[in-house]
Amino acid sequence: QQPVQSPQAVILREGEDAVINCSSSKALYSVHWYRQKHGEAPVFLMILLKGGEQKGHEKISASFNEKKQQSSLYLTASQLSYSGTYFCGSRGDDYKLSFGAGTTVTVRA
Amino acid sequence: EPEVTQTPSHQVTQMGQEVILRCVPISNHLYFYWYRQILGQKVEFLVSFYNNEISEKSEIFDDQFSVERPDGSNFTLKIRSTKLEDSAMYFCASSEEGGRDYEQYFGPGTRLTVT
Repeated sequence: QQPVQSPQAVILREGEDAVINCSSSKALYSVHWYRQKHGEAPVFLMILLKGGEQKGHEKISASFNEKKQQSSLYLTASQLSYSGTYFCGSRGDDYKLSFGAGTTVTVRA
Repeated sequence: EPEVTQTPSHQVTQMGQEVILRCVPISNHLYFYWYRQILGQKVEFLVSFYNNEISEKSEIFDDQFSVERPDGSNFTLKIRSTKLEDSAMYFCASSEEGGRDYEQYFGPGTRLTVT
């Protein structure tokens, strides 16, 4: 079952902050965050694991509340390059990565 | 930096025709995936593949779809008899391991247009 993301879209000015939420109705082992720019492939941002471990490559932070089966992605001091559609992917006890509908982030100068 | 490659970048086909989409995963990766994204919608999982077998598939991946690793480098998705609703961007992805804490690296996609 796919996770639910909110909000659907957010518009920011450079330097502003935003939070994107992802929740699931099923027990999660890990939450994966990807960013997709228009016409391009999704790019891996971060994995959050049960137990608190995080694996990521960029200066974007996230949290994972296992009990609530929720994850939040924090865009802090946003830059123009942060624009894109952010997808959360949830993995339970299988190989399948189920993506949410996405949150479109537009950062304006 | 190693990357997943896909060919062709765009494929146009007529309804009822067979298409084969090709992918070359990252060389030391063991797990391979196909995803589909209909224009403007979310990315949808189709199938995962490991050790020459399908390990998981979604309800979208019905009998008209098949996957194969014909040699040591290519990973293919075949659609036997294409329908209009198969028009989408198809992404191949690979991961080093299949565990739930391994990131998947996506290729640039093949845009399939069925007319």
